[in-house]
Amino acid sequence: QQQVKQSPQSLIVQKGGISIINCAYENTAFDYFPWYQQFPGKGPALLIAIRPDVSEKKEGRFTISFNKSAKQFSLHIMDSQPGDSATYFCAASGPSGNTGKLIFGQGTTLQVKP
Amino acid sequence: DSGVTQTPKHLITATGQRVTLRCSPRSGDLSVYWYQQSLDQGLQFLIQYYNGEERAKGNILERFSAQQFPDLHSELNLSSLELGDSALYFCASSPQPRDEAFFGQGTRLTVV
Repeated sequence: QQQVKQSPQSLIVQKGGISIINCAYENTAFDYFPWYQQFPGKGPALLIAIRPDVSEKKEGRFTISFNKSAKQFSLHIMDSQPGDSATYFCAASGPSGNTGKLIFGQGTTLQVKP
Repeated sequence: DSGVTQTPKHLITATGQRVTLRCSPRSGDLSVYWYQQSLDQGLQFLIQYYNGEERAKGNILERFSAQQFPDLHSELNLSSLELGDSALYFCASSPQPRDEAFFGQGTRLTVV
């Protein structure tokens, strides 16, 4: 019940295209859903996050869509650029214990071809 | 730069040894998290400290321990190291639990 399932494992997109990464969770108590971007040799960097009181959040070319009833959320990268090539992780956390610990998906390696 | 500093960046050690990884959180952050990243397990939560006290424990082995000091820096101690402990170890910090967490650059541990 603590798992977050992420798909696809890898993704190849042409420059200018839309990259879509999906995540599903089981624990209905989760109430915070961040996405992290990680480049080789670097730590995960917070990209964008959403809480379940909204169904969509947009920051620049990055959009999170959230479907509470389906227990799914996704990251859309519009106008994908070669510089977006990285590994993306979705994550979730809930109020239990007031900890903020994150449960991560397995990651998606995105390659944007020029 | 996230503002979270981890040292050392790389560490190579032999099986059976003990190592200490260090983390300095962002200025003002009271909460520190440790995560392990391996190829087969992904990013796994190990342990969290808040203002010097242990707040949450994840899949942390008994051979591993951590603490947070009065100046809020944290150390992760790994002992009786095994080959399978080879991984990236990340520290993250946030002002309060459940605030946005920012990760350091990690320590790459190689056990030979």
